[in-house]
Amino acid sequence: QQQVKQSPQSLIVQKGGISIINCAYENTAFDYFPWYQQFPGKGPALLIAIRPDVSEKKEGRFTISFNKSAKQFSLHIMDSQPGDSATYFCAASSLSGGYNKLIFGAGTRLAVHP
Amino acid sequence: GAGVSQSPRYKVAKRGQDVALRCDPISGHVSLFWYQQALGQGPEFLTYFQNEAQLDKSGLPSDRFFAERPEGSVSTLKIQRTQQEDSAVYLCASTVGGTTDTQYFGPGTRLTVL
Repeated sequence: QQQVKQSPQSLIVQKGGISIINCAYENTAFDYFPWYQQFPGKGPALLIAIRPDVSEKKEGRFTISFNKSAKQFSLHIMDSQPGDSATYFCAASSLSGGYNKLIFGAGTRLAVHP
Repeated sequence: GAGVSQSPRYKVAKRGQDVALRCDPISGHVSLFWYQQALGQGPEFLTYFQNEAQLDKSGLPSDRFFAERPEGSVSTLKIQRTQQEDSAVYLCASTVGGTTDTQYFGPGTRLTVL
């Protein structure tokens, strides 16, 4: 059962453009939604995360938009740069168990062309 | 400072061999997670330790998989009688301890079973 569905699988954006990646979840118990960035040969690194009590969170060029009723959240990368080329994963977890057991989406491979 | 380290970085095993993968978390981190990342997919949770206690092993695919963290620091993931379907990148992550603390991932061990 795929609890977190991510789209698109791949994305090509021109330098300076906006990259948008979408995720949908099924489990209403999820209450923590992070985005991770992974470069080839490296482990994932946390970019930004949101809790369901807010609808948007912005950190620099990265923004998470969250729609609790639709059970969807998205990552927007403003002014995309070639250095942003990487694979991005959304994830979700329920913190009620006392630890952060992340359920990841399948990933989006982003290529930013100069 | 030093991040999470994993060794070996690459492991090739013949089907049926036993392998041991090591994770050195960030010093002082209480929580440690293991994930399995198949090619082109997101990481999937395997198991969770709080100090030396293995509190969740629900993601281990079979009884051929075994993890330990005897002194609450270094952890080892052991796979017995490896099968081709075990080929993946095995990621380790550690956190200070709180539920929303950032999970810091190591670079992973790429296991190839021939």
